[in-house]
Amino acid sequence: NAGVTQTPKFRILKIGQSMTLQCTQDMNHNYMYWYRQDPGMGLKLIYYSVGAGITDKGEVPNGYNVSRSTTEDFPLRLELAAPSQTSVYFCASSYPESEKLFFGSGTQLSVL
Amino acid sequence: GDSVTQMEGPVTLSEEAFLTINCTYTATGYPSLFWYVQYPGEGLQLLLKATKADDKGSNKGFEATYRKETTSFHLEKGSVQVSDSAVYFCALIILTGGGNKLTFGTGTQLKVEL
Repeated sequence: NAGVTQTPKFRILKIGQSMTLQCTQDMNHNYMYWYRQDPGMGLKLIYYSVGAGITDKGEVPNGYNVSRSTTEDFPLRLELAAPSQTSVYFCASSYPESEKLFFGSGTQLSVL
Repeated sequence: GDSVTQMEGPVTLSEEAFLTINCTYTATGYPSLFWYVQYPGEGLQLLLKATKADDKGSNKGFEATYRKETTSFHLEKGSVQVSDSAVYFCALIILTGGGNKLTFGTGTQLKVEL
């Protein structure tokens, strides 16, 4: 079972570059999420989606964009990378009636 | 807003030692409580949960009891193993119908040595 798949696993960007972090899930979950994990700070919610075509901001959305054109995919876009976006990014998904989130293995991003 | 506070790490224990990781919360509603575990190089996995006061969640020898009076959800294990070395996150959720958004604590790293 693939579950939640994130690509790439590692990436180094220069300041001002853009990139898209990919996330796909094969569990037919309606809800999907993007979190960032900073050392000693726990996980912070960036954006979430309750279904295809519906997205909403989380706690720390500035500098990011998302789209949800299909149930399976929820890409996260960084338009102008900044050093403050150096972090580990996790995608997750869940059923609407379930409190259990399934997480991908993460993308470690460094902006230099 | 909702928040979760857990003890700072790293916590270093010898194999077969008793483990306690403290977690307290503040919430405006009536949350469900969780412990997630993150093994090295992996994403978070649900370890256990409790959805109402006095519920005890348990899994893989770990336990935590939902204490509404002390707003706590401490994680315990009677005898840890080297394979338990990981980062443990306490979290809460209040279901709103607009996305099941978890609020996480900062995580506690556990190292178990032989």
